[in-house]
Amino acid sequence: DQQVKQNSPSLSVQEGRISILNCDYTNSMFDYFLWYKKYPAEGPTFLISISSIKDKNEDGRFTVFLNKSAKHLSLHIVPSQPGDSAVYFCAASEVDQFYFGTGTSLTVIP
Amino acid sequence: DTGVSQDPRHKITKRGQNVTFRCDPISEHNRLYWYRQTLGQGPEFLTYFQNEAQLEKSRLLSDRFSAERPKGSFSTLEIQRTEQGDSAMYLCASSQLAGGITDTQYFGPGTRLTVL
Repeated sequence: DQQVKQNSPSLSVQEGRISILNCDYTNSMFDYFLWYKKYPAEGPTFLISISSIKDKNEDGRFTVFLNKSAKHLSLHIVPSQPGDSAVYFCAASEVDQFYFGTGTSLTVIP
Repeated sequence: DTGVSQDPRHKITKRGQNVTFRCDPISEHNRLYWYRQTLGQGPEFLTYFQNEAQLEKSRLLSDRFSAERPKGSFSTLEIQRTEQGDSAMYLCASSQLAGGITDTQYFGPGTRLTVL
C-alpha cells in the first residue's frame, strides 16, 4: 500500500527553466513532508521540508508547496541547472515513521 | 563528524550465508533508522532506534533480520540465511529528536547487498 506516490518517473527540463516535481499522499495524518535528492551510488540528501501547518517553504532556488486538501505537494526548482539532474524523492512523516515515494528522475538539459 | 557512514559499501554473498552491516550515525543524533531500497523504489522503512531502544519494526522485517544499537551510538543490521530476494541497497539514516519534534533524517551512502 503506497501511501506516498510520485506518478512521474522522469522529467526533462531545459536549463534555466522551472522544474516542477509532484507528489501525492493518502494519509491525512502525515504532518511533515520532505524532499530528498539522490545521485547514483549515494544515499539520499535532504533538500527541503515543510510542516503541515504551512503551505509554502522556500530555500534559495527550491520551493515546496503543500496543498493539504488535495493531499498534494510539489517541489519547484527555478532556475533549473544541469547539476540538479538526479532522482528526487518526496517523503512524508507520521509520528516516527517516514514513507517515501518511488522517485522522479530529473534531467536538466544544458 | 561529517555525516552518516556505512560499512561495507558493497557486499556479495552466497545464498544461505549470514551478513552484517554497520552504521555510524551523526554523533549527536539520538535516532537511527534502517531502510531497504530496491531498484525503481523509494526507501522502505525497516526499523528505528531511539538511543539504544528499538522502538518500531516494519512487517517487512522477517525474523531473519535483526538490528542492534547496543550503546546508543553505532548500529548493526544482520541478515541470517540470506535469500536472493534480500538483494537491495540498505540505507541508514539518523536524526535528532528534541522537544518531541523529530528533525530531518540524514542518510548514509548505503550498503549494496547482492545475494548470489
